Amino acid sequence: DVKVTQSSRYLVKRTGEKVFLECVQDMDHENMFWYRQDPGLGLRLIYFSYDVKMKEKGDIPEGYSVSREKKERFSLILESASTNQTSMYLCASRPPSSYNEQFFGPGTRLTVL
Amino acid sequence: GEDVEQSLFLSVREGDSSVINCTYTDSSSTYLYWYKQEPGAGLQLLTYIFSNMDMKQDQRLTVLLNKKDKHLSLRIADTQTGDSAIYFCAESIYNQGGKLIFGQGTELSVKP
Repeated sequence: DVKVTQSSRYLVKRTGEKVFLECVQDMDHENMFWYRQDPGLGLRLIYFSYDVKMKEKGDIPEGYSVSREKKERFSLILESASTNQTSMYLCASRPPSSYNEQFFGPGTRLTVL
Repeated sequence: GEDVEQSLFLSVREGDSSVINCTYTDSSSTYLYWYKQEPGAGLQLLTYIFSNMDMKQDQRLTVLLNKKDKHLSLRIADTQTGDSAIYFCAESIYNQGGKLIFGQGTELSVKP
């Protein structure tokens, strides 16, 4: 079974703090993704990565950065957290299958006070 | 640009059929998907359909695709309380490296 894990289920941070969200997958997938999920807006892509040390901006990259030093680990970084970054953050990975399925982690609910 | 739209809420009675609808704008979609999100969990792929198909059936699930109208639907037969969840429609665009475009999600509430 594919397993995508995220370092925290719930996180509370203060405005201006630097925040790291970690995601690990155990199936040697090359592609990994970070989304944020907000009610009524669905999932919006923040960043994705095709391979180690490679990254691409998604639809809403402002205020975020990412790091992919190892194939299995994809980190999302909030350089200076703000209250409008309070959200559910979902990580996903994708194997090289023909139908393009993405496997999701359980999510991290981040609250910025 | 690419856009996927869904209604936000649907309420049905246990045993009835549920139909969740989705419209999309990009005609170069290769695959279209239905994901399910149970409370407090990540998304799980329920089913998918290739863009050159118009129907796919998998046990209680039926997916219908109308390419002309860019309309996708998910029918759940004999809906159970365990089907209560948020259902996301998503499309995969040709030549976009595995990127998925998601709809807003439809919250299905099943009443006993």
